Amino acid sequence: EPEVTQTPSHQVTQMGQEVILRCVPISNHLYFYWYRQILGQKVEFLVSFYNNEISEKSEIFDDQFSVERPDGSNFTLKIRSTKLEDSAMYFCASSEILGDNSPLHFGNGTRLTVT
Amino acid sequence: GNSVTQMEGPVTLSEEAFLTINCTYTATGYPSLFWYVQYPGEGLQLLLKATKADDKGSNKGFEATYRKETTSFHLEKGSVQVSDSAVYFCALSLSGGYQKVTFGTGTKLQVIP
Repeated sequence: EPEVTQTPSHQVTQMGQEVILRCVPISNHLYFYWYRQILGQKVEFLVSFYNNEISEKSEIFDDQFSVERPDGSNFTLKIRSTKLEDSAMYFCASSEILGDNSPLHFGNGTRLTVT
Repeated sequence: GNSVTQMEGPVTLSEEAFLTINCTYTATGYPSLFWYVQYPGEGLQLLLKATKADDKGSNKGFEATYRKETTSFHLEKGSVQVSDSAVYFCALSLSGGYQKVTFGTGTKLQVIP
């Protein structure tokens, strides 16, 4: 069964550094998402992306965050200047279409640790 | 705003025990409700869903019924197995959006032989 793949599985970075988290969504999917989970807290929506532009974003997704689909397969999340509170598990997801009959398919996540 | 509250874990059960994980929600409008599962080292997977009141979602022996009157979507399984050990997330989304899903905090289930 096709999978969403994320790399790396664990990223350690120093505060203030830029970090790029990478995702390869399922090939025929059209909608892409990033979620994150701070340890012990809820999984939170960050952003959705369709047709090469952001469809919706949460209040968490400020100017320090950006997303890009640089080619036909990758979907990236960039954090320009990481803060300690950015430490979390980041999940990429994709879906084929909109609506309740098209569930999200999640990757295994990237654990980001900011020191 | 929209929110999901689920029982805190971890929940530890013996094999073949009955499982209930409670979930309640608050939403504006008429949400769809989901249970996602995360097995160790893996991503979130959709376990089951219900899109309207009184619907029952079921999969792999798990069931949950959409109760509008109590705003609940409790997860149940009659006889758990060691392989069910995972973290279970209750979630909702509102129709018409880009599947912006609101998750609960997750409940870790450990089943011991």
